[in-house]
Amino acid sequence: NAGVTQTPKFQVLKTGQSMTLQCAQDMNHNSMYWYRQDPGMGLRLIYYSASEGTTDKGEVPNGYNVSRLNKREFSLRLESAAPSQTSVYFCASSVSVLREEDEQYFGPGTRLTVT
Amino acid sequence: AQKITQTQPGMFVQEKEAVTLDCTYDTSDPSYGLFWYKQPSSGEMIFLIYQGSYDQQNATEGRYSLNFQKARKSANLVISASQLGDSAMYFCAMRERNNQGGKLIFGQGTELSVKP
Repeated sequence: NAGVTQTPKFQVLKTGQSMTLQCAQDMNHNSMYWYRQDPGMGLRLIYYSASEGTTDKGEVPNGYNVSRLNKREFSLRLESAAPSQTSVYFCASSVSVLREEDEQYFGPGTRLTVT
Repeated sequence: AQKITQTQPGMFVQEKEAVTLDCTYDTSDPSYGLFWYKQPSSGEMIFLIYQGSYDQQNATEGRYSLNFQKARKSANLVISASQLGDSAMYFCAMRERNNQGGKLIFGQGTELSVKP
């Protein structure tokens, strides 16, 4: 049981380049999330997917797009990377968005640097 | 306004002693959940403990307990018998029932260092 997996673990981009961060979970969870973590701050929600086929903006969605490819996979795309997007990106999943007691399981994170 | 406040950027504790990490929260939602996560230097986020707003008793999980004071809107994490492996960042987070998307709102974290 791998839980939540993310690829790549590290990435360096030049300003203006694009890339896709991949995330997959094997826990049969309905809901998936993308967060970013900046130094000295907690995690902030970028986008989430309540269930397969739906996606919605979170707190900091500008500059990102997402795709919920199927129940297992949720990808995050940077179309034109900017230095302000240098961060650590976490994917997470939970049984449902509807129950406040559902814990979120996190992937190992992707450390992205944009020069 | 900050929804989750962790006022201790860094804490030190001697091995085998207990330590309390502070967390206060702000919400008008009557139904919410409070979580603590641990982030070691390797970077992953590890779930530690959960407290529901309607839970009558404080949550406990092994050496972790949550001192929940609803009227004061505080949810402090208590780690008993600290171990060297407890050195990490600790994040308090809240999930509100009426918050669309069920997102976790995180505090800024407390860095705990356990001294031998």
